[in-house]
Amino acid sequence: DAGITQSPRHKVTETGTPVTLRCHQTENHRYMYWYRQDPGHGLRLIHYSYGVKDTDKGEVSDGYSVSRSKTEDFLLTLESATSSQTSVYFCAIRVTGDSDTQYFGPGTRLTVL
Amino acid sequence: QKEVEQNSGPLSVPEGAIASLNCTYSDRGSQSFFWYRQYSGKSPELIMFIYSNGDKEDGRFTAQLNKASQYVSLLIRDSQPSDSATYLCAATTGGFKTIFGAGTRLFVKA
Repeated sequence: DAGITQSPRHKVTETGTPVTLRCHQTENHRYMYWYRQDPGHGLRLIHYSYGVKDTDKGEVSDGYSVSRSKTEDFLLTLESATSSQTSVYFCAIRVTGDSDTQYFGPGTRLTVL
Repeated sequence: QKEVEQNSGPLSVPEGAIASLNCTYSDRGSQSFFWYRQYSGKSPELIMFIYSNGDKEDGRFTAQLNKASQYVSLLIRDSQPSDSATYLCAATTGGFKTIFGAGTRLFVKA
């Protein structure tokens, strides 16, 4: 499982509330990613990080922010949750080398009412 | 916009048959290509990666890459009911990113 954990695994919240999802890795990989997965859309990149305090936007970054103060933790924050942010969120790490493969955490199912 | 396209399926095959999953990509600069399997309610797990033209075999799985045609495929031989899942095709692109297709649902009938 590449030593990736996500918390919480499930969350129900109300529109307008802030939400923070945590991704933790144990193997000191430099690159970390946040995706959301919705039916018919596959995995879409929200934000990614290429080092401590180094982050960049993905294709669906509006309404989301991230922070990475330690190598092992990558936080995703929904400043004011909306119903359109109801989704399954996956964190991933990238193993650099010949293939640059990404490995995924178990996911967080978020429901915004 | 860089894309990875897959037939959404579902693809239904009988047990023991060969399942053939296909994918095209738009970014000619893509270097590495991946097939992930995702069971319902679970996270994607890597099956294979390929970065050279031709075939790559791993057990019952064979990945095929044709960079000239921008085409990647996955063959599953002797398909089993446990292979029933959604299969995601992915390709690396610039800026440390990977682009994923929407996935093909595979059903293997016992």
